[in-house]
Amino acid sequence: RKEVEQDPGPFNVPEGATVAFNCTYSNSASQSFFWYRQDCRKEPKLLMSVYSSGNEDGRFTAQLNRASQYISLLIRDSKLSDSATYLCVVTRPADSNYQLIWGAGTKLIIKP
Amino acid sequence: DAGVTQSPTHLIKTRGQQVTLRCSPKSGHDTVSWYQQALGQGPQFIFQYYEEEERQRGNFPDRFSGHQFPNYSSELNVNALLLGDSALYLCASSFWGQGFYGYTFGSGTRLTVV
Repeated sequence: RKEVEQDPGPFNVPEGATVAFNCTYSNSASQSFFWYRQDCRKEPKLLMSVYSSGNEDGRFTAQLNRASQYISLLIRDSKLSDSATYLCVVTRPADSNYQLIWGAGTKLIIKP
Repeated sequence: DAGVTQSPTHLIKTRGQQVTLRCSPKSGHDTVSWYQQALGQGPQFIFQYYEEEERQRGNFPDRFSGHQFPNYSSELNVNALLLGDSALYLCASSFWGQGFYGYTFGSGTRLTVV
């Protein structure tokens, strides 16, 4: 079993729809959680950090459930420009530091 | 303020050859981490350098080695290339002690092994 698992995708949705991404992680010692966005053949870019209380940034809402070891990302009123791969990332304690552990990503395709 | 720069952007090598990839961190950053991203996968952590020493290492064979220079720039070396080493190699820089605050990726080097 992978340490971070995401929906395999791709998601094909019409413009304006609401999209939900799910992610589960297996290491209960994980401390920090992130969603990254990666455009085709580009580097990943931080979309938002995820906090236990849940957080919102415009059309994007992220939530964390530590008890279930589950992270979600919701995109409302999706735009064509939201088409990308969305990567779930958690930190794993390693010695005196942390490592970033990445899911395989879920590709989102927004159709006009 | 320059971000993370990686060179070259693309590279084609033959099986068995050796390759060196380069990374210059963002101004003010002193820590460099390297990742391998195969097609359709998330990035996999290779190793991290700080103060010219390897501080952490992921599950990669010894064919993967690195170096950090006094100016904080870094190199990733891969020996005896295999077809499976074909991937996007990403460098990320940060400031030691600040965790992932300001963690910044370069645009990567796409390595193709034929």
